Amino acid sequence: DAGVIQSPRHEVTEMGQEVTLRCKPISGHNSLFWYRQTMMRGLELLIYFNNNVPIDDSGMPEDRFSAKMPNASFSTLKIQPSEPRDSAVYFCASKVPGGGYNEQFFGPGTRLTVL
Amino acid sequence: AQSVTQLGSHVSVSEGALVLLRCNYSSSVPPYLFWYVQYPNQGLQLLLKYTSAATLVKGINGFEAEFKKSETSFHLTKPSAHMSDAAEYFCAVSVDSGYSTLTFGKGTMLLVSP
Repeated sequence: DAGVIQSPRHEVTEMGQEVTLRCKPISGHNSLFWYRQTMMRGLELLIYFNNNVPIDDSGMPEDRFSAKMPNASFSTLKIQPSEPRDSAVYFCASKVPGGGYNEQFFGPGTRLTVL
Repeated sequence: AQSVTQLGSHVSVSEGALVLLRCNYSSSVPPYLFWYVQYPNQGLQLLLKYTSAATLVKGINGFEAEFKKSETSFHLTKPSAHMSDAAEYFCAVSVDSGYSTLTFGKGTMLLVSP
């Protein structure tokens, strides 16, 4: 099993540019989560999907952030326009159907630097 | 709503010493509890989880944790620290409600000195 796949692993961009982060969940997992990790705020849940449908996006910081899940095997997190304060590590995680006893499996993360 | 408190943002031990990382939770319904480890420049990896079977849970790399309902705690221990245990550790709680998201603590960085 390849695990959760994220791309790119590193992204350096300039302020104002559009950034797209990609995630491929583990096959058979029907829940997908996007997190952001910074030194100041720790690990924050941005949005999560269940069966490709966004369930709660209350963690998305601003309208500049958007996420989609067009099918069960692919999700994107887009930032447009990007700002230096968006610099962070962004993680994607997935989970099998079922109750709260099922753990989330995390990808390796995308380290975003906005100059 | 659930919450997790990890006491101590940094814990330092010597190699071979006991590791104790503290986690207290708050939940109005029976919780499921998890410990994740994050090595530098990597994602989070599950160490162990409590799912209401046994209160003493054994995980990978010699770690274990004990669920104590009366103390609302789920502390992580390892009898003898190894240099390779140096990492950040996160405690998390989930419940059987809605879509069962995880609520994470702020993490504890474990430093191991030779």
